[in-house]
Order: sequence, then structure tokens, then C-alpha cells
Amino acid sequence: IVLTQSPGTLSLSPGERATLSCRASQSLSGRYLAWYQQKPGQAPRLLIYGVSSRATGIPDRFRGSGSGTDFTLTISRLEPEDFAVYYCQQYDSSPQGGFTFGPGTKVDVK
Amino acid sequence: EVQLLESGGGLVQPGGSLRLSCAASGFTFSNYAMNWVRLAPGRGLEWVSGIRASGRSTTHADSVEGRFTISRDNSKNTLYLQMNSLRADDTALYYCAKALYDFVDDAVDSWGQGTLVTVSS
Repeated sequence: IVLTQSPGTLSLSPGERATLSCRASQSLSGRYLAWYQQKPGQAPRLLIYGVSSRATGIPDRFRGSGSGTDFTLTISRLEPEDFAVYYCQQYDSSPQGGFTFGPGTKVDVK
Repeated sequence: EVQLLESGGGLVQPGGSLRLSCAASGFTFSNYAMNWVRLAPGRGLEWVSGIRASGRSTTHADSVEGRFTISRDNSKNTLYLQMNSLRADDTALYYCAKALYDFVDDAVDSWGQGTLVTVSS
């Protein structure tokens, strides 16, 4: 399953709403979609798993939604620490196993 | 607190070998699947290999199948990646990654800081 993310770069100001899209090349058989945040020099951090469940310690301004092939990560009000790259990941079962990531969306300061 | 500490990266010539290690602490290592994920310049995140909690089931991406082998020692809380026949396109930062549960096909809830592998003559 190939994931595409749009836009490639999102330029916004603190306090604005960010809407990130992730599209799968085929419909996921279940809620096997996660979102990660990565800042320069840091490891990725899990934000959302199971399409809409927030990981431990993730603030409620991060919201995941979607089904089938179309998924969205919404950040309701951007905080200064939210400017980063965001990746979606699908972990639907496959004969080989494993998972794939989208190419990422960079959220930068306008 | 979960901690994953990778080691073993470095500079290696094409065709060479390296063994990566990941020392885990802060959780019951033997209960969770583990993975290696890499980040190559300009190529984004790529899943490399995964292993279930018992160590009896492993799987690898097509790009490394037959060259890389994932393993674990639950008595030492350590994950390994044996990398043979290395190529230039294996150059990347390699992350040790803990699955949410005992499934290789799963979200990753903890990551190490990564160890850099550079394949170059």
C-alpha cells in the first residue's frame, strides 16, 4: 500500500488551524493508520494510532480522522512547538508484514 | 520510561557488513514486537525489518531480504540487525522502534535516537 501526503509543505502562523491529508493507494481493511511528528535531529514521535486515538501525552489539539483511503490530521491551533514534519503510516496486514510511511508534510512558519 | 539505545553504526565499504544493536529498558522487552526503521536523505522513513516478541517470527522489506537479518535476545533486552552485502542505498539513520503490541504490523510508540550507517568507498 502506497501513501501520498498533501500538501508537501504547509506554511501557517501560530494559532492557525492545520489540516494535513494522507491518501492510501487501496482501502485499509481496518483502522490501521497512524501519524507521527518529527523535528530536526529528533526521533519521530507517535501522535495518533488507530486513525483517531491519541498516544499518551498528546494534547487534544491533535485530531485524527478518516476511513478507507482518505485520512486527515488536524491541529486545531498551532503552537510554536508544532512546526515540524508529519508522517502518516499504514500498518494494514500484508503477506510480507511490515508497514509503510507517507513522504511527509512539513509545517513551517509563514 | 522507555529507552532504546542503538549502537554499531559507522562507515563501511560497499559489500561490507555491520551489526546494529539496540539496548532496551523501561518496559518488558519480551512482550513486544520490535522493528528497525531507517531514514535516508531525501527518501523519508522506510520500514526495514520486524520481529515478534518471541523471536520466532521475522520479516524483512524486499529491499533488504536475503541481506539483512533481524534477531533479539530477550534475556539481554537487546535487538539486533545483521547487515551484509551493504550497498550505497543502505546509507541511512537506522532507528530501533518498539511496536504498540506484539505485532510487526503495528504503530510504533517508542523510537531510539538512531545510529548512522554510511556505505561508501
